[in-house]
Amino acid sequence: SQTIHQWPATLVQPVGSPLSLECTVEGTSNPNLYWYRQAAGRGLQLLFYSVGIGQISSEVPQNLSASRPQDRQFILSSKKLLLSDSGFYLCAWTAGSGSADTQYFGPGTRLTVL
Amino acid sequence: AQKITQTQPGMFVQEKEAVTLDCTYDTSDQSYGLFWYKQPSSGEMIFLIYQGSYDEQNATEGRYSLNFQKARKSANLVISASQLGDSAMYFCAMTLNSGYSTLTFGKGTMLLVSP
Repeated sequence: SQTIHQWPATLVQPVGSPLSLECTVEGTSNPNLYWYRQAAGRGLQLLFYSVGIGQISSEVPQNLSASRPQDRQFILSSKKLLLSDSGFYLCAWTAGSGSADTQYFGPGTRLTVL
Repeated sequence: AQKITQTQPGMFVQEKEAVTLDCTYDTSDQSYGLFWYKQPSSGEMIFLIYQGSYDEQNATEGRYSLNFQKARKSANLVISASQLGDSAMYFCAMTLNSGYSTLTFGKGTMLLVSP
């Protein structure tokens, strides 16, 4: 069966520091991968998605970036964190690209920027 | 662009009763998928149920059913026989069949189940 991992689970970082969040999927190959952010008490906002190694699409311009160095690994990064980057970051995967393809989410990373 | 609207910020229900969570959507596409997710306080997003735009019958998954009314562009979630463990945030979401399946989420409804 497929599983999706995210780490770290929680993170407290000072403003201006770098960020690296990691997401890995097991039990499938060539998944579509997604990064979402959820601000406190809000819905999910799609940040990036990837349909293959090295292929990244950005949905929202900001100081975050994403990379996909391996088929089942998706990384969210920042060179300098802002206070507004605080939130709950969720990684998700699907097996395909159609409207019937369910997205399955990882456990999330709670980021607090101070 | 597609849009999801959940008008109920919070809902209260007693244990063992049924509850309906509202969801309306807006899209000009004819082929799309509708999803409901549950988010407990732990934060994980749990997939509950899916409805395709061309599905003629309402989707059901155990105690969950989706009341799909295409002409009204609504996709309400019905939870039968509520349990205390159903207390959580519930999100309606949709994806289009054109392009890649990026999900658009509503703002969510907080459901509280009381004994």
